[in-house]
Order: sequence, then C-alpha cells, then structure tokens
Amino acid sequence: NAGVTQTPKFQVLKTGQSMTLQCAQDMNHNSMYWYRQDPGMGLRLIYYSASEGTTDKGEVPNGYNVSRLNKREFSLRLESAAPSQTSVYFCASIEVEGELYNEQFFGPGTRLTVL
Amino acid sequence: GQSLEQPSEVTAVEGAIVQINCTYQTSGFYGLSWYQQHDGGAPTFLSYNALDGLEETGRFSSFLSRSDSYGYLLLQELQMKDSASYFCAVRVSYGQNFVFGPGTRLSVLP
Repeated sequence: NAGVTQTPKFQVLKTGQSMTLQCAQDMNHNSMYWYRQDPGMGLRLIYYSASEGTTDKGEVPNGYNVSRLNKREFSLRLESAAPSQTSVYFCASIEVEGELYNEQFFGPGTRLTVL
Repeated sequence: GQSLEQPSEVTAVEGAIVQINCTYQTSGFYGLSWYQQHDGGAPTFLSYNALDGLEETGRFSSFLSRSDSYGYLLLQELQMKDSASYFCAVRVSYGQNFVFGPGTRLSVLP
C-alpha cells in the first residue's frame, strides 16, 4: 500500500516549456487535490477533483490544467512554465468518513524550478 | 475571501506545553484540521474538529469554537521531534475544498 505517489520528485524547466506532474493513490479515495507551497508559506489549492470525472478550480488555478484520468490518477499540467511557478507541488487525496473525520493524505511532493 | 491567521513562530523547551492558535474568516465552514510538516517533508494529518470542543489524541489535543471562529492545537510533553511547522486548514465547502493557514514554525529547545 504505497498511499499517494508523485512523479517526478525534482524537475528543472526553462521558461515556456511544458510538463505534466503525475499523481496516483491506491486508497480508493474519491477526492484528490493539487497544492503548491512556496518557501515559508502555507499550501495553496490549485485544483481539486471531488470525484472521478469532475474538477474544480481552487485558489490559484491560472497557468495550470488538470485531468482526473480515473479514480486513482490526477495529473497537473503546466502548458507554458513561468518562473513564478517555481514551487513545491503536493498532491493529496481524501475519503470522507462521515462528517466528523477528514484526513488528507499527501504525496512526497515535486520540487519544480523554472529558470 | 478566505483568511486564516496563525502565529508565525513559537519556541518552547522539551517537556513543556505549547498552544498554537488559529483564527479564520472563510466563506463557509465545515471543519478545522491540523497538519504537521517537517522540513523537506509532506504534511501529515494530526486532527480534525467538525464540532465545538476538545479532541484528544495522545500528546496532541485540538479545540474548536465555531462561534468565535477560533481553534487551537495543544502539544503536551514536547519532544525535540515535535520541531516542525504546523498548519491549520478549514474545509470551506461540502465538496471538500480546503484553505490552509500560513503555518506556525515550532522550535523545541533542549
């Protein structure tokens, strides 16, 4: 049981290049998330998917696109990378167990630098 | 808009008790979570309060007052390994949308 996995762990891009960050979870969770974390800051929600086939914008969606490929996988795409997108990207998933319990499981993160 | 406030830094000694506060102003509220993050690591879940009151899990407790838009994380019997950043997060919609606070860096001194 690997939990939430992300690839790649590290990536360096040049301005204008594109790339896709991959995320997969093996816990059969319905909801999945993409966050970015800048140095010394909290996590900001980019996009989330409450269930297979649905996606919604979070706080900072500009410059990103997502695909919920199936229940397990949720990818994040940068079409034209910019230096402002240099950050650590975390994928997370959650299974709501009633209304009294909410635990998000996070992947190890992808450290992205855009030059 | 969404706004969560936490102290930026807290310092305490081993064996002590420390309280990290979180106040929030959000468009919706379904619950308050707390996460721990060590440097270079991923956030890990500590607790979730959907109802007012105190939840206890081992050395950690979390409190919520929805009428005051306020919660706190209480860490007892501090250990060196508790040195980390702690984030509060509000679930702002029924659809599982979360907003995180800026984080509190806890330093535990010997």
